[in-house]
Formats: sequence, structure tokens, C-alpha cells
Amino acid sequence: RKEVEQDPGPFNVPEGATVAFNCTYSNSASQSFFWYRQDCRKEPKLLMSVYSSGNEDGRFTAQLNRASQYISLLIRDSKLSDSATYLCVVNRNDYKLSFGAGTTVTVRA
Amino acid sequence: DGGITQSPKYLFRKEGQNVTLSCEQNLNHDAMYWYRQDPGQGLRLIYYSQIVNDFQKGDIAEGYSVSREKKESFPLTVTSAQKNPTAFYLCASSLGVLGYEQYFGPGTRLTVT
Repeated sequence: RKEVEQDPGPFNVPEGATVAFNCTYSNSASQSFFWYRQDCRKEPKLLMSVYSSGNEDGRFTAQLNRASQYISLLIRDSKLSDSATYLCVVNRNDYKLSFGAGTTVTVRA
Repeated sequence: DGGITQSPKYLFRKEGQNVTLSCEQNLNHDAMYWYRQDPGQGLRLIYYSQIVNDFQKGDIAEGYSVSREKKESFPLTVTSAQKNPTAFYLCASSLGVLGYEQYFGPGTRLTVT
């Protein structure tokens, strides 16, 4: 089983729509969780850390479900500029990070 | 402007040649990392360093070597022993390794023919 699994998508949504997707992780001892955004042929950029209580940053909301071992990302009021691949990242027992292969979101006009 | 720089952006080499990728950071971060990214796969860790003059193998270290002589610099050498060197190479840094966010450089696309 992969350490971090994501639905590759693509999720095609119209501007203004809400889109949400999850990622599952295998290590129940993981303590650190992040969402990164990666544009085509560019480096990943940190979007947000994910806290136990859930957190929000503008139009982006991240949730953590430890019991079911998944984290989610919700994007409200989608913009064309939100089109990207979103990487789910979780720490391992040795504190190194495991990266999911990414979920691609395409926002259309 | 604080950040991580990698050079060159694109690199082309013939099989059998060693090549060194540069990574420099001015964020005063202790930890630095090298990853490779292949299409449709998550990033895979090649090497990491928690402190100057110390580094550890990651998950796919075979065919690669690194050095960490200065806090700011963590160059990666792709040797001729690496069987599939063509990939997108990403350098990252963080305050430490214990659950800290990592910040990435712009990457180097290496093509070996």
C-alpha cells in the first residue's frame, strides 16, 4: 500500500464552483500534514499546513480525519488561477515527508 | 529576497557522464533535501542533510552523491551508475527535519541521452 494515495483526477469545474478532494495515508502515527500546489513543470509550493482542528485560509479549507486516516482540501469560489496539481504530504515515522502523486484540478471559464 | 536557487534550469548530458546540480539557499535553514519527480509519481527522496558536514541516504540514493560543506549549499551529483537519470530534480530546505514545512527551489530538468 502506498504511504499517501490521491485520486489523480482531473477534477474539471467551472469558475465559481466548489471542489473538494481527499487523500488517504497509511501511517497512523503521522503528525504533520500539508497541502502543496504544483503548477505544470514548476516546483511545489506550500499551500497550507493541516491542523487537527481543521483550518481555513481564504477560499481554501483543510480537514484532518485521524480515525479514517485522510485529509481533505476544499476550494470555494474556484478561480481560473486555481488550476494546478495539489499534492498531499504526510510525515513518516522517521519524520521525512511522503508525497502523494497529486490531484489535478482544472477550472474552466 | 530569501529563497532557494537551483541551476541550471535545463541540463542535457550523454550517457556515461557525471553531472552536478547546484542548490543554494539563503533562508538560514539547517535541513536540505534532494528529490526527483517522474511523471505520474510522487516526489522521491534521494538524499537529505540535517546539518553541515552530515547527510543521509534517502529512498533512492543509488547512483547519486552529495556534499554539505556549507550551510547554504547542497549540490547533487548524478553519476553514470544511475540507471534512469532523466527526471525533474527538486531541492528543498526546512528549518529542521521534525515535521517542518519544506520549501522548494525551481528545479532542474535533466535529460540524459
